[in-house]
Amino acid sequence: RKEVEQDPGPFNVPEGATVAFNCTYSNSASQSFFWYRQDCRKEPKLLMSVYSSGNEDGRFTAQLNRASQYISLLIRDSKLSDSATYLCVVNNGGSSNTGKLIFGQGTTLQVKP
Amino acid sequence: GAVVSQHPSWVICKSGTSVKIECRSLDFQATTMFWYRQFPKQSLMLMATSNEGSKATYEQGVEKDKFLINHASLTLSTLTVTSAHPEDSSFYICSARGTSGRDWNTGELFFGEGSRLTVL
Repeated sequence: RKEVEQDPGPFNVPEGATVAFNCTYSNSASQSFFWYRQDCRKEPKLLMSVYSSGNEDGRFTAQLNRASQYISLLIRDSKLSDSATYLCVVNNGGSSNTGKLIFGQGTTLQVKP
Repeated sequence: GAVVSQHPSWVICKSGTSVKIECRSLDFQATTMFWYRQFPKQSLMLMATSNEGSKATYEQGVEKDKFLINHASLTLSTLTVTSAHPEDSSFYICSARGTSGRDWNTGELFFGEGSRLTVL
């Protein structure tokens, strides 16, 4: 079983749609969780951290369910510029400044006009 | 935010040659840098953790004699792919954490632009 699993997609949605990505992780000791965005042939960039209480940043909402070891990302009112691969990232045990970051395969989103 | 620069962006080499990739933190000191490899349509795989002034820690299955890592200063880590073969063709990305502050505590990594290696 992969340490971090995501549905690779692709998710093809029209502009303005709401889309949700899910991610599961296997290590119950994981401490920190993130969503990164990666554009084609580019480096990943942090989209947002994921907190236990859930957090929102504009059109993006991230949620964490520790009991189910499940993380989600919701994108509302999709824009063409949201087209990218979204990587679920888990800090694999230890504190956030010592554990390794484990990346999921990524979920590809294509927003169409 | 913090800036990490990686060089070269692209490299094509013949089988059997060695290739060096540099990773620099431009506006902060990076005591720890990480080297990842990403094959097409796959996730980033951590290869090794590079600590300034000490030996790198390699992940299981990564040959330390093939992928030489040097982290001689707080702003520079290098990855040398020795005797490269076509199966080493990949996207190599470095990343760094700062030494203190918000970024360290949140665990955010700052990535270089990546180096695409093609071995003929």
